[in-house]
Amino acid sequence: GDSVTQMEGPVTLSEEAFLTINCTYTATGYPSLFWYVQYPGEGLQLLLKATKADDKGSNKGFEATYRKETTSFHLEKGSVQVSDSAVYFCALGGATNKLIFGTGTLLAVQP
Amino acid sequence: DGGITQSPKYLFRKEGQNVTLSCEQNLNHDAMYWYRQDPGQGLRLIYYSQIVNDFQKGDIAEGYSVSREKKESFPLTVTSAQKNPTAFYLCASSIRLGVITDTQYFGPGTRLTVL
Repeated sequence: GDSVTQMEGPVTLSEEAFLTINCTYTATGYPSLFWYVQYPGEGLQLLLKATKADDKGSNKGFEATYRKETTSFHLEKGSVQVSDSAVYFCALGGATNKLIFGTGTLLAVQP
Repeated sequence: DGGITQSPKYLFRKEGQNVTLSCEQNLNHDAMYWYRQDPGQGLRLIYYSQIVNDFQKGDIAEGYSVSREKKESFPLTVTSAQKNPTAFYLCASSIRLGVITDTQYFGPGTRLTVL
């Protein structure tokens, strides 16, 4: 069945460092891919999404490109801030009537 | 502003009691969902609903029940049959069910603790 694998955390970075959080997927057909962010004690917020191969989603300085050849949707940001500290979830919308989530990656940015 | 509200934010329950978590949306979305989140795990789908008076079991429906009497509301009841109910519960909605490009929008969550 469909599945999402993302890198385990925590990821600890200094402010202004470059961020990559890896996400790979297994799916039949042509899924949509999403990154959600969860701040402490809150629900999930959509960060960005891509609905077809080679699409790039972007928001708030974060980017991710839908790579069908490598079945990946890695999240990147050129310069992280302390306020980016959160849990990031990669998710897949496929043939079933639900989103498939990765286990989440905790990002901690230190000043 | 449109959005999803969940109440209460924190809920404490004694063992053997049923408890109902509220979820309301004013986004005019047809589809609604309930997820459970445990530490270090992704979200797991409990129930989902495509339209009023229709709902389907997700991956972990045992010990839970739902109703969908109004488009805006999708309450979740955690029954005493749920063996390990302590968790963070998230409600979500989307415009339609089964459209893979549709975004799901989430509420702020309810943290349930069984004493």
